[in-house]
Amino acid sequence: DVKVTQSSRYLVKRTGEKVFLECVQDMDHENMFWYRQDPGLGLRLIYFSYDVKMKEKGDIPEGYSVSREKKERFSLILESASTNQTSMYLCASRGRTFGEQYFGPGTRLTVT
Amino acid sequence: AQSVSQHNHHVILSEAASLELGCNYSYGGTVNLFWYVQYPGQHLQLLLKYFSGDPLVKGIKGFEAEFIKSKFSFNLRKPSVQWSDTAEYFCAVNNHTGGFKTIFGAGTRLFVKA
Repeated sequence: DVKVTQSSRYLVKRTGEKVFLECVQDMDHENMFWYRQDPGLGLRLIYFSYDVKMKEKGDIPEGYSVSREKKERFSLILESASTNQTSMYLCASRGRTFGEQYFGPGTRLTVT
Repeated sequence: AQSVSQHNHHVILSEAASLELGCNYSYGGTVNLFWYVQYPGQHLQLLLKYFSGDPLVKGIKGFEAEFIKSKFSFNLRKPSVQWSDTAEYFCAVNNHTGGFKTIFGAGTRLFVKA
């Protein structure tokens, strides 16, 4: 059974802080993704990674960066958190290029 | 731009009612289609998927979806809903020319009254 874990379920940060969200998957998947989920907007892709040290921007990369130093771990970084980054952040992994994605439980981030 | 449209944002049904959630996409060419479900307090999980073959796909918990290529649609159905089907449902599409990206619809919140 694929397991995707995220470092925190809930996080509260102040404006301007640097925020790290960690994601780990245990199925040796090549592809990993970060989304944000907002009511009425569905899931919007922030970044994805198709291999170690490889990354591609998604639809809304502004204000975010990512790091993938090991195959199982994909980190999302908010360099300077802002209130409009308050959201639910979902990490996902995928084995096959066009296969289904496996999601973590999400991190609800509040920036005050 | 490529997009996925879910027609209903909120649906309220009584138990035993039939369900149909609409999903249309704007991709051309070969597509893979998914329905994901997010139960309250739980993570997003796959309900069913279509890659090829029989366009009527059966998923978990009695759900099914029909791929109609000519209508660019992949509607989700269940003949008789239960209170436990209360959740948010997302349609998603990727295609073989879109690279790694999967596009998600905005979601449909289903509330089933007991």
